[in-house]
Amino acid sequence: ESVLTQSPATLSLSPGQRATLSCRASQSVSSKLAWYQQKPGQAPRLLIYDASNRATGIPARFSGSGSGTDFTLTISSLEPEDFAVYYCQQRTNWPPWTFGQGTKVEIK
Amino acid sequence: EVQVVESGGGLVKPGGSLRLSCAASGFTFSKAWMSWVRQAPGKGLEWVGHIKKKSDGGTADYAAPVKGRFTISRDDSKNTLFLQMNSLKTEDTAVYFCTTDVLCSGGICLDYWGQGALVTVSS
Repeated sequence: ESVLTQSPATLSLSPGQRATLSCRASQSVSSKLAWYQQKPGQAPRLLIYDASNRATGIPARFSGSGSGTDFTLTISSLEPEDFAVYYCQQRTNWPPWTFGQGTKVEIK
Repeated sequence: EVQVVESGGGLVKPGGSLRLSCAASGFTFSKAWMSWVRQAPGKGLEWVGHIKKKSDGGTADYAAPVKGRFTISRDDSKNTLFLQMNSLKTEDTAVYFCTTDVLCSGGICLDYWGQGALVTVSS
């Protein structure tokens, strides 16, 4: 089982700033990693799948990179609607498909 | 339009059972892997398990905390996913989401989530 560790737990930034979120796997998950955004009271929203592919309708300011054990979600310039909690999830051929514990991006 | 709608949540006593259903429409259900994800109050997301499409064997896999107590099944003729939960514990209290795998069709790649069903385990 691959454990996912996200850092930092909380990121305090201002609109317009760049956000860099990290997700580290305890063992290789190849490129089978997804990123989700969740706002209070809502279901999660898929942002990135297979490490670097943006889901349909996701703005270009969101990008994903990495493979193996180290992954990054970058938001190039934060918009007011981007303040939320972000989760990574691994989806290898060997379940469980664990989630990271989440990174909260809050307004500074 | 893709829709995924959970039902069957509610209040149950520890040790009790509950069955959640997830009605899907707007995509070819039989060709999709389907998952259950839960979220305890104020906590993060937890993968519960998934079931493969029949052409991939149709088998289910589970997270360790629910293995042996929960069963995921599907009825492709009714486009419905199920989660049978037995021997429920207070720590199973959560909103349970039904979700598809990433579906790509006509250049659109997304996964789809229901609105969630609240399961409360309490005496």
